[in-house]
Amino acid sequence: SQKIEQNSEALNIQEGKTATLTCNYTNYSPAYLQWYRQDPGRGPVFLLLIRENEKEKRKERLKVTFDTTLKQSLFHITASQPADSATYLCALDTDGTSYGKLTFGQGTILTVHP
Amino acid sequence: GAVVSQHPSWVICKSGTSVKIECRSLDFQATTMFWYRQFPKQSLMLMATSNEGSKATYEQGVEKDKFLINHASLTLSTLTVTSAHPEDSSFYICSASSTLGSTDTQYFGPGTRLTVL
Repeated sequence: SQKIEQNSEALNIQEGKTATLTCNYTNYSPAYLQWYRQDPGRGPVFLLLIRENEKEKRKERLKVTFDTTLKQSLFHITASQPADSATYLCALDTDGTSYGKLTFGQGTILTVHP
Repeated sequence: GAVVSQHPSWVICKSGTSVKIECRSLDFQATTMFWYRQFPKQSLMLMATSNEGSKATYEQGVEKDKFLINHASLTLSTLTVTSAHPEDSSFYICSASSTLGSTDTQYFGPGTRLTVL
């Protein structure tokens, strides 16, 4: 089965800096990798999806990279703000579609200090 | 668009009783819905996949007789925790997938906090 590791259970950074979160996986290579944001007591909110044939995807201050050789994805938040403080989850598809079964990492708790 | 709701948002029940949680896709039709469980400081664990009009598919280790799933329409799936016990206390989250247009991804509900006394 797929194993996902999000390095750093917690990450603390100063406002304005770039936050970089890491997601590593083992076993098979997924067709898709997704990043979600989860606030305490709430369900995950979809942020970005990147396909196996894509190296990089951007959305406003967010950037995701996908290295299938290293089996790793990096998630960047530039010009971070205290409002970006949340748990960030990476998730991989387990059935080859972006809308199918997902396996989640354990998450990284990001805290942006003013 | 692509909003998923859950009801109730939280519930407290006595041990031995059954609890029903509803998951609705408000502005799109979801042929597939997923049910997850999340314990404190842990990630989401998939419990089952629910397809409209057919029996749910459960993940290994999830008791299908304890967690009853019904997906009666394209906008509603329900999870019933039968004979709940304190160890069933958790955060239950549903998601719905849509393949219409560009929305080929999953959308998650806000979750239901279940506490069994």
